[in-house]
Amino acid sequence: AQKVTQAQTEISVVEKEDVTLDCVYETRDTTYYLFWYKQPPSGELVFLIRRNSFDEQNEISGRYSWNFQKSTSSFNFTITASQVVDSAVYFCALSDEGSQGNLIFGKGTKLSVKP
Amino acid sequence: GAGVSQSPSNKVTEKGKDVELRCDPISGHTALYWYRQSLGQGLEFLIYFQGNSAPDKSGLPSDRFSAERTGGSVSTLTIQRTQQEDSAVYLCASSLVRGRIGIYEQYFGPGTRLTVT
Repeated sequence: AQKVTQAQTEISVVEKEDVTLDCVYETRDTTYYLFWYKQPPSGELVFLIRRNSFDEQNEISGRYSWNFQKSTSSFNFTITASQVVDSAVYFCALSDEGSQGNLIFGKGTKLSVKP
Repeated sequence: GAGVSQSPSNKVTEKGKDVELRCDPISGHTALYWYRQSLGQGLEFLIYFQGNSAPDKSGLPSDRFSAERTGGSVSTLTIQRTQQEDSAVYLCASSLVRGRIGIYEQYFGPGTRLTVT
């Protein structure tokens, strides 16, 4: 069965600190997809990144970077030089061939960035 | 372009009443999903529509829940005889059809906050 674990329930940092959000997944499929979504206080889920299981290259987008490691079944998300606007709940999600695109979400990590 | 829209944004109903929640997906997206977000259960998949195929209802929590998608576009989620445990935010998402290159990302609407009193 598929499962996504985000062990960090809440994280609080001071602006300009780097912060890493952990995500560990479980799936029996060899083809699967991993996602990160951001849910700011306004409530709407915002897509950040999609990664497929055949592409282990790390990705960087501005202050955001993602580290995908199949050996440890992890897809961690790092925010460099955090800002107050980064305060949100961040969700990691998994979809595999068997789920037909349905997303299996982790419980989310609430990030608070203090000025 | 326009994103996914949902209505109403908030709904308060009495226990035992029926409610209908509406979702307008992004134009051109043939896949449509309903999820539920509650404090206790997190984000849960409810139902999935893909074109004219039979929907995947595997996530619906009980037979009081049903959904339709008319004309391959707008979808309505209906909850009959609402219970207090149905109180949650109901989220709709849409995506391009699954292609040979894989599963596409889903874009979410703002949600409908349902409160059952």
